[in-house]
Amino acid sequence: GAVVSQHPSWVICKSGTSVKIECRSLDFQATTMFWYRQFPKQSLMLMATSNEGSKATYEQGVEKDKFLINHASLTLSTLTVTSAHPEDSSFYICSASLTSGLIYNEQFFGPGTRLTVL
Amino acid sequence: DAKTTQPTSMDCAEGRAANLPCNHSTISGNEYVYWYRQIHSQGPQYIIHGLKNNETNEMASLIITEDRKSSTLILPHATLRDTAVYYCIVRVGGATNKLIFGTGTLLAVQP
Repeated sequence: GAVVSQHPSWVICKSGTSVKIECRSLDFQATTMFWYRQFPKQSLMLMATSNEGSKATYEQGVEKDKFLINHASLTLSTLTVTSAHPEDSSFYICSASLTSGLIYNEQFFGPGTRLTVL
Repeated sequence: DAKTTQPTSMDCAEGRAANLPCNHSTISGNEYVYWYRQIHSQGPQYIIHGLKNNETNEMASLIITEDRKSSTLILPHATLRDTAVYYCIVRVGGATNKLIFGTGTLLAVQP
């Protein structure tokens, strides 16, 4: 099956610093990638939809200036948490959809990145 | 996208079939039923999807009622490694269409 990787798998940073998380589709091209956030014992919450070569579409309530998304190629999307604070500590997960003519493309998820802000 | 309703948790004995129900009474004609699962501290894993016919793959079977208002995911022989949160999601097909996760069902497979 299609493989999606994330880097780093975990990161600890000081409050006020910025953290970049990478999401890569390893064996397929993905026009669209998605970023989710998951707090402990809660479900995944969609943050934004990332389209290659264009600006990301953010869900309501997600600050676009705080969570910068770049999708520069068909295999790489990055999420930068700017000026991170302890409340940004969470499990960040990306997913990617196959670029094809199929109408029922499933999304393939990365393993997630655990961010802890001290 | 239509909303889904799932039980919060279920138990299943190892080796037995696990039947996970999902209600989606407001599903539209062009919306598919997707099932994903998430093992603790991992990214979600795709299991199966369907439109109106029953579907089977190497992981599971998906039974969709004739009126499409509910469905059941069946794991034929549950193992301890199947312990996870199972999410039933309905959405319009297409690579750019987002998945909205509900609370899911925590399936605990007991030895």
